[in-house]
Amino acid sequence: AQKITQTQPGMFVQEKEAVTLDCTYDTSDPSYGLFWYKQPSSGEMIFLIYQGSYDQQNATEGRYSLNFQKARKSANLVISASQLGDSAMYFCAMREALFSGGYNKLIFGAGTRLAVHP
Amino acid sequence: DAMVIQNPRYQVTQFGKPVTLSCSQTLNHNVMYWYQQKSSQAPKLLFHYYDKDFNNEADTPDNFQSRRPNTSFCFLDIRSPGLGDAAMYLCATSTPFNPNQPQHFGDGTRLSIL
Repeated sequence: AQKITQTQPGMFVQEKEAVTLDCTYDTSDPSYGLFWYKQPSSGEMIFLIYQGSYDQQNATEGRYSLNFQKARKSANLVISASQLGDSAMYFCAMREALFSGGYNKLIFGAGTRLAVHP
Repeated sequence: DAMVIQNPRYQVTQFGKPVTLSCSQTLNHNVMYWYQQKSSQAPKLLFHYYDKDFNNEADTPDNFQSRRPNTSFCFLDIRSPGLGDAAMYLCATSTPFNPNQPQHFGDGTRLSIL
């Protein structure tokens, strides 16, 4: 069974500094995908970044980048130049195939609560 | 903008009183999901639809049911809510055969049980 582990329940960072949120995963499927979502206190889940197992380069989206280390089975999210609005819960998730319909469900980690201090 | 809309944002119901949460989408996605997220926990899939085909997770309580009358709308019915059903309920959509695309979530409905 697939599993996502986020070992940091909470993280603090100073505004304008970079922060790394850890995510490790376990799967026996050679083809997999990893997603990071942000969930502010208001509750909506906001997609941030995606990394596929066959992607040659680490994914980047603006201030977000993924430090993808396949051999270590880790996909850490790096947020550069933190802003106060980055304070939120962050979830790492892996897609798991549903039947053979070509679509997936998400297996989420426990999440990391990030607090950005001025 | 194409989006996933959940109503209401906040729902309060009494113990044992049936409640319905709604989700609509303008993305025209085939797949719709309902997740339950209890306080300080990760979202957990309850069930999903591929078009009209309904599938529930093995551990989804019988108390939870769903309807999808058309592509755009999906409803979550809780027949007899218990205190343990208080949670955030998230609706999401996706397209098949494109696994690299993220699921699109609504803003969620926060359900409280009195």
